[in-house]
Amino acid sequence: EMQLVESGGGLVQPGRSLRLSCEASGFTFDDYGMHWVRQAPGKGLEWVSGISWSSSNRVYAGSVRGRFTISRDNAKKSLYLQMNSVTTEDTALYYCAKDFGSSADWYFDLWGRGTLVLVSS
Amino acid sequence: EFVLTQSPATLALSPGARATLSCRASRSLDSTYLAWYQQKPGQAPRLLIYRASYRASGIPDRFSGSGSGTDFTLTISGLEPADFAVYYCHQYGDSPPYTFGQGTKLEIK
Repeated sequence: EMQLVESGGGLVQPGRSLRLSCEASGFTFDDYGMHWVRQAPGKGLEWVSGISWSSSNRVYAGSVRGRFTISRDNAKKSLYLQMNSVTTEDTALYYCAKDFGSSADWYFDLWGRGTLVLVSS
Repeated sequence: EFVLTQSPATLALSPGARATLSCRASRSLDSTYLAWYQQKPGQAPRLLIYRASYRASGIPDRFSGSGSGTDFTLTISGLEPADFAVYYCHQYGDSPPYTFGQGTKLEIK
């Protein structure tokens, strides 16, 4: 069974850092692009960042560019999101999502259950 | 950046009815790059439709997608209780940032 499991969320103070992880299973991880999508409490979906299978292409939403860094370790079948200089606007449930293709520019055909990030002093 | 505007924000219908959900793009979008997702409370989104009109694996044929240019539609025929959820359209492709519509909540009347 294909599965994505996020971890690393929690309570973090404004201005601090947090690293999210997503572990994949049940498919050939290094064949596919991957993404992070977030959902603030009671709000809609917001795409955050995507990375191609080889890490050669990384793209970001304007709201996180320069603060967040997406990365992956294909040997560990894992995706990461390094979140720096967080603000209360970053409070959300963060989903890991698998891209249909390898370049991180297609639709998302598998989602994890999410990890909650709460930014508060 | 593409802006996707969904309407209506909330749609109240009875089981067995037909639902028509709209997604309008701020500029013309290749239909290859439009998807729809369903999200139920406490769950992750689920892919329903990709390339505007192709059903994802395991999606019942009462779900259908159509449209081109700036106007896209998700139609659900013969609503079942499990269909009441929030629906999002999503644009992807070669023009990041990728964006979602704000969602349409389909609720039981």
